[in-house]
Parts: sequence; structure tokens; C-alpha cells
Amino acid sequence: DAGVTQSPTHLIKTRGQQVTLRCSPKSGHDTVSWYQQALGQGPQFIFQYYEEEERQRGNFPDRFSGHQFPNYSSELNVNALLLGDSALYLCASSLVSGGDGYTFGSGTRLTVV
Amino acid sequence: QKEVEQNSGPLSVPEGAIASLNCTYSDRGSQSFFWYRQYSGKSPELIMFIYSNGDKEDGRFTAQLNKASQYVSLLIRDSQPSDSATYLCAVNGGSQGNLIFGKGTKLSVKP
Repeated sequence: DAGVTQSPTHLIKTRGQQVTLRCSPKSGHDTVSWYQQALGQGPQFIFQYYEEEERQRGNFPDRFSGHQFPNYSSELNVNALLLGDSALYLCASSLVSGGDGYTFGSGTRLTVV
Repeated sequence: QKEVEQNSGPLSVPEGAIASLNCTYSDRGSQSFFWYRQYSGKSPELIMFIYSNGDKEDGRFTAQLNKASQYVSLLIRDSQPSDSATYLCAVNGGSQGNLIFGKGTKLSVKP
């Protein structure tokens, strides 16, 4: 049973560039959530996708956008990168109810220089 | 602003002791509560979840929930050096589907 798959694992970008991160959810899960985790902090909720639509959004600017595809996989796009966007980006999949918790992918470490 | 608070630690316990990790949350409508373990440089891993007041045991781990006090705890019995990690408390609140995380408590188990 495949878990949550994220790509790439590491990424270095220059300030002002754009980046796309990808996620394939665990088999049987229909909901994908994205989190940003800065060093020494807990994961911060970016947004959640269900049925190809953004269902919930955290306190992140419009530079952060996403997409969910019919096969439930998802992308996170960040435009106009800032140094402060450097973080571990985590994708988590779940059932829409979220009642059994989330399964996290291994994350993408983004460094903005 | 819905919040989840944890003591950042570090919490240091000797091998074989009981480690007690605590968490409070602000949203009384919260319905589901989760404990995740995160090793340095790795992603969070679900340890336990609890929905009802009282205790829930799974092996060496016991989660405790008191909704009246808005308090969740995790006890780790017979702590091992391999338990050394950051423990994240997360709450799934009310009508929202997303998990809200605390900042985590760093646990160190000394041999």
C-alpha cells in the first residue's frame, strides 16, 4: 500500500522565482492538505483540496496556490519566492472527514537564496 | 484564532521512565485529537488519536483527553532512547477539516 509521495525531496530556488511541488496521496484517500513547517515550528496549514476544489485555506498569501487532479494528486505552487518561504513543505492525505488523522509525505525541503 | 499550545521543552527523561507530554487547545468545538512524532529532518508520523474523554492505550503509549479542561496529554511508558523526537499535538476542530498543530515538545530520553 503506497503511502504519500512527494517530489522533489529538495529544491533550491532564487528569490522571485516560482516553484511547483507535487504530491500523490495514500491509496484510498481523497483529500490533500499542504503544510509549511519552518525550522523549530509546528506545521502551518496552507490549504486543503477535496474534489478538485480548495476546501479550506490558512493564513497564507495568494502567492500560494494549488490544484488537485481527478486522480486526487495535488500540486502546490508558490510565486515570487521570498527568503522567508524557505521551509519544509509537507503534503498530507486523508479522508474528507479527517477523523482518522492525516498521513504525511516525506516533505519537500525548499531553500530560497 | 484557534490555537494549540505545547511546552517546547526540551523534556529530558531517563531510559525506562515515564514521559508526560501535554497540550491545550482553544477551540471548544474541537472533536478529534492527534499525537504525531517527528524525528529531526523527517515528516510527522501518527502515533495515536483520541475522540472521547478519558484514556486510550496503545502499547507503551497512553493518550488522555479532558474536553472540559481543553487538555490532551500523551504518556510514554518505559521510555527508550529511540523515543527521542519532537512530539506534535494536533486538533481537528469542529466544522473545519484541517488539523491545527502545536509547535511541538522535544523529548530526549537519556540512556
